[in-house]
Amino acid sequence: GEDVEQSLFLSVREGDSSVINCTYTDSSSTYLYWYKQEPGAGLQLLTYIFSNMDMKQDQRLTVLLNKKDKHLSLRIADTQTGDSAIYFCAESPTSGTYKYIFGTGTRLKVLA
Amino acid sequence: EAGVVQSPRYKIIEKKQPVAFWCNPISGHNTLYWYRQNLGQGPELLIRYENEEAVDDSQLPKDRFSAERLKGVDSTLKIQPAELGDSAVYLCASSLMDEQFFGPGTRLTVL
Repeated sequence: GEDVEQSLFLSVREGDSSVINCTYTDSSSTYLYWYKQEPGAGLQLLTYIFSNMDMKQDQRLTVLLNKKDKHLSLRIADTQTGDSAIYFCAESPTSGTYKYIFGTGTRLKVLA
Repeated sequence: EAGVVQSPRYKIIEKKQPVAFWCNPISGHNTLYWYRQNLGQGPELLIRYENEEAVDDSQLPKDRFSAERLKGVDSTLKIQPAELGDSAVYLCASSLMDEQFFGPGTRLTVL
């Protein structure tokens, strides 16, 4: 079945790099996404990667995709206190259906 | 440009009561989604609309949940009667292509 797993918590110091990991099970996933959720708010798309890519960089964000191991990671460089939030990875198993399977979320706490 | 609007933001009801949530998607977005997010979990899709047609409602508990999207714009999600296990955040999202834009959600507490 479809299952997306993430570690529950991550704590880093301000200025350090954060790495949030995600594993998924559906090898047919076309797109993989990272969303950010701040308290009391909806989910905000941070970045996404197409399944034929290994890496994508967007300013402080770097996404790495290992299709063999079905492993996705999000690296945040120079982590700031404003990055404290819950981060969700999501897979879109079949192109064009717009069906997302979300992970359980990783709560990132940035210490000043 | 206004984002996805949801109301109410919070709702507290007693079990067995009905409740309804409203969503106004981003203008021009044909696809609308309702998700349920339980505490400590990621969102789970309940129903997806393409314009006014529900194209995926396989995860909607149809014995007590109903939804409509009249005229292919605004949508309402209803629960009748509510149960304790329905306490969650109900998120609405809309999209034009692949990227989904989420509203702030309605936090439902069933006592």
